[in-house]
Amino acid sequence: SQTIHQWPATLVQPVGSPLSLECTVEGTSNPNLYWYRQAAGRGLQLLFYSVGIGQISSEVPQNLSASRPQDRQFILSSKKLLLSDSGFYLCAWSVGNGGRSDTQYFGPGTRLTVL
Amino acid sequence: AQSVTQPDIHITVSEGASLELRCNYSYGATPYLFWYVQSPGQGLQLLLKYFSGDTLVQGIKGFEAEFKRSQSSFNLRKPSVHWSDAAEYFCAVAPRNTDKLIFGTGTRLQVFP
Repeated sequence: SQTIHQWPATLVQPVGSPLSLECTVEGTSNPNLYWYRQAAGRGLQLLFYSVGIGQISSEVPQNLSASRPQDRQFILSSKKLLLSDSGFYLCAWSVGNGGRSDTQYFGPGTRLTVL
Repeated sequence: AQSVTQPDIHITVSEGASLELRCNYSYGATPYLFWYVQSPGQGLQLLLKYFSGDTLVQGIKGFEAEFKRSQSSFNLRKPSVHWSDAAEYFCAVAPRNTDKLIFGTGTRLQVFP
């Protein structure tokens, strides 16, 4: 069966520091991968998605970037964190379906607090 | 643009009472439809989904949802709520020609004993 991991689970970082959040998926090949942010009192905002290694689409302009160095690894990064980057970051995967929708399965999330 | 509306931000029910959470979407064609649940500090768990066929969909934990094309709705129901159902519930839609989900802003469910 497929599983999705995120780490760290919790992170407290000072403003201006770098960020690296990691997401890995097991039990599937060539998945679509997604990064979402959930700010307090809001829904989920899609940040990035990837349909393959090195293929990243950005949904909103921001202080963050994403990379997919391996088929089942998705990394969210920042060179300098802002206070507004605080939130709950969720990674998700779905079966790669050539552009057609499928169910997304979510990881446990990373709680990021920027002070 | 496609959108999802969950008009109830917060709902409180007594344990054992019935529950209905509302979801309306705006999209020209019938999208794929999903309900997810999120416990505090956790990721999202899929409750159920509608792709095609029978418009009444059964999910996990005793939940069901009904797709009504005429009302562009996909409301979630449970006949008898348990205290463990307290969580946040998200409706999501996916246009059939994309890889993306569009989420509603969520409904927080509180259950009183």
